[in-house]
Amino acid sequence: QSALTQPASVSGSPGQSITISCTGTSSDVGGYNSVSWSQQHPGKAPKVIIYEDTKRPSGVSDRFSASKSGNTASLTISGLQPEDEADYYCYSYTSSDTWVFGGGTKLTVL
Amino acid sequence: EVQLVESGGGLVKPGGSLRLSCAASGLKFSDFYMNWVRQAPGKGLEWVGRIKRTSAGGTTHFATPVKGRFTISRDDSSDTLYLQMNSLRTEDTAIYYCTTDMLFWGQGTLVTVSS
Repeated sequence: QSALTQPASVSGSPGQSITISCTGTSSDVGGYNSVSWSQQHPGKAPKVIIYEDTKRPSGVSDRFSASKSGNTASLTISGLQPEDEADYYCYSYTSSDTWVFGGGTKLTVL
Repeated sequence: EVQLVESGGGLVKPGGSLRLSCAASGLKFSDFYMNWVRQAPGKGLEWVGRIKRTSAGGTTHFATPVKGRFTISRDDSSDTLYLQMNSLRTEDTAIYYCTTDMLFWGQGTLVTVSS
């Protein structure tokens, strides 16, 4: 199973919005309502910020939102804040009964 | 509050074995599929394997790099998940996380495979 494709890095200024894409296939991203996004700060465990394509866990800021079209999922962070600087990973359930991750995107808040 | 606490990591020589544990609380453990995910130093996340809930057969499934070397088991009476790792290789060096349905995650335990 090939990894999902994410940009290696994105950046934005405080207050701006950014979008991170995550491209897979019809056997993973496009085939199930199971895309999740996690945020990981250096030295910390991943924290899920989006699950089942568009749902936000309790306690996650509504500045984080997600969408999906075909085989590409997207994470949007609005009103960028310095604490949003982190690595972001998308992942999806697959038709092989496995999970596949994206390579991760480093977000820099300028 | 859901808590997952991994333990059992450490330094092991290539070819050696190690068993990781993940103690769960704050949830009905027996209802959940459980997964292991790892992260090599400076690298991204990699799914390792999962075990279905016992009522669904408790079957396991693994990623290709660990198939035949790693096994996953669970003890619903003590709300504990296990990862038995055999024939360890240097490339297995990573932080290992347990996760429920890929939604709740533990803090991870570091496994270092080195001579």
